[in-house]
Amino acid sequence: GQQLNQSPQSMFIQEGEDVSMNCTSSSIFNTWLWYKQDPGEGPVLLIALYKAGELTSNGRLTAQFGITRKDSFLNISASIPSDVGIYFCAGFTGNQFYFGTGTSLTVIP
Amino acid sequence: DAGITQSPRYKITETGRQVTLMCHQTWSHSYMFWYRQDLGHGLRLIYYSAAADITDKGEVPDGYVVSRSKTENFPLTLESATRSQTSVYFCASSEMLEQYFGPGTRLTVT
Repeated sequence: GQQLNQSPQSMFIQEGEDVSMNCTSSSIFNTWLWYKQDPGEGPVLLIALYKAGELTSNGRLTAQFGITRKDSFLNISASIPSDVGIYFCAGFTGNQFYFGTGTSLTVIP
Repeated sequence: DAGITQSPRYKITETGRQVTLMCHQTWSHSYMFWYRQDLGHGLRLIYYSAAADITDKGEVPDGYVVSRSKTENFPLTLESATRSQTSVYFCASSEMLEQYFGPGTRLTVT
């Protein structure tokens, strides 16, 4: 199946630090979505991106749709303990969604 | 309550048994999806539905059956459960491209 390479796989950061993660593919996507999943829960939609180059914010979260349409980036500023969880990217080709394998974020108080 | 719900939240069954996982959404979304989530594989699409009585296979449909007689319900049936179907199953719904997920069902096949 389609491969979405998400990196890093895991991150351990101090509270207050900024976080960056990304998702790349060899294929072009029309839409990028970013989700957060807490333990024992379903993924929750954070940000949706629909156009190449688009930069969208949701509070301390900012995501960008790469201009090549093959990648997307998520940044979290001034991390707090409740940011802990697994962050997934999802890309839509026009026919189907594909999900990355997730970035596990641990925030150390 | 509004939203998307799944039942049961936890299920243990034996190899060879039939088991049905339920999904219900109150938004009247046209699209509904079933995913399984396994370590190292992320979320993989099992089946999806674009409307009532319209279903289609996803990436890993073998061993699963779905139906959608009503817009709000999308049950997933494992006709003869196997150990490889031990997983966490998520249902999702959408009207456009933004999918909203249920809380998941953790299924263990012994």
